[in-house]
Amino acid sequence: SQTIHQWPATLVQPVGSPLSLECTVEGTSNPNLYWYRQAAGRGLQLLFYSVGIGQISSEVPQNLSASRPQDRQFILSSKKLLLSDSGFYLCAWDRANSGNTIYFGEGSWLTVV
Amino acid sequence: AQSVTQLGSHVSVSEGALVLLRCNYSSSVPPYLFWYVQYPNQGLQLLLKYTTGATLVKGINGFEAEFKKSETSFHLTKPSAHMSDAAEYFCAVTSRTGRRALTFGSGTRLQVQP
Repeated sequence: SQTIHQWPATLVQPVGSPLSLECTVEGTSNPNLYWYRQAAGRGLQLLFYSVGIGQISSEVPQNLSASRPQDRQFILSSKKLLLSDSGFYLCAWDRANSGNTIYFGEGSWLTVV
Repeated sequence: AQSVTQLGSHVSVSEGALVLLRCNYSSSVPPYLFWYVQYPNQGLQLLLKYTTGATLVKGINGFEAEFKKSETSFHLTKPSAHMSDAAEYFCAVTSRTGRRALTFGSGTRLQVQP
């Protein structure tokens, strides 16, 4: 069966520090991969999605970047965090066929102080 | 472009009462439709989805939703609320063609009163 792992689960980072959130999917190959952010009291905002290694699409201009160094690995990064980067970050995946379910990781809570 | 509107950011019902969470979408062609549930500090879990076929879709935990093309709606219902249903619920859509990423509504927090 397929599983998705995301870490770290929580972190507190000072403003201006770097960020790296990792996500891996097991049990499938060539998945579509996604990073979403959920700010407090708000819905989910798509940040990045990837249909293959090295292929990243950015949905909104921001202080973050994403990379896909391996088929089932998706990394969310920042060189210098802002207070506004605080939120709940969710990695997700689905198979590359329209209509299939998107599965989410357990999320990472980021607090920038 | 697609969009999703969830009416009511907070809904409160009594245990045993009907649950109705509203979702309307905007799309040039009928999309795929989903309902996800999020329990506190957790990721999202799929409740149900509509892709094709029967417009009344049954999901987990006794929830169901009906796709009504004429009303561009996909409301979520449950005949009898349970305390464990308290969570945040998200309606989402994705295109049948092209980009697969989900577009989410802003969510509805369901409270269940004893």
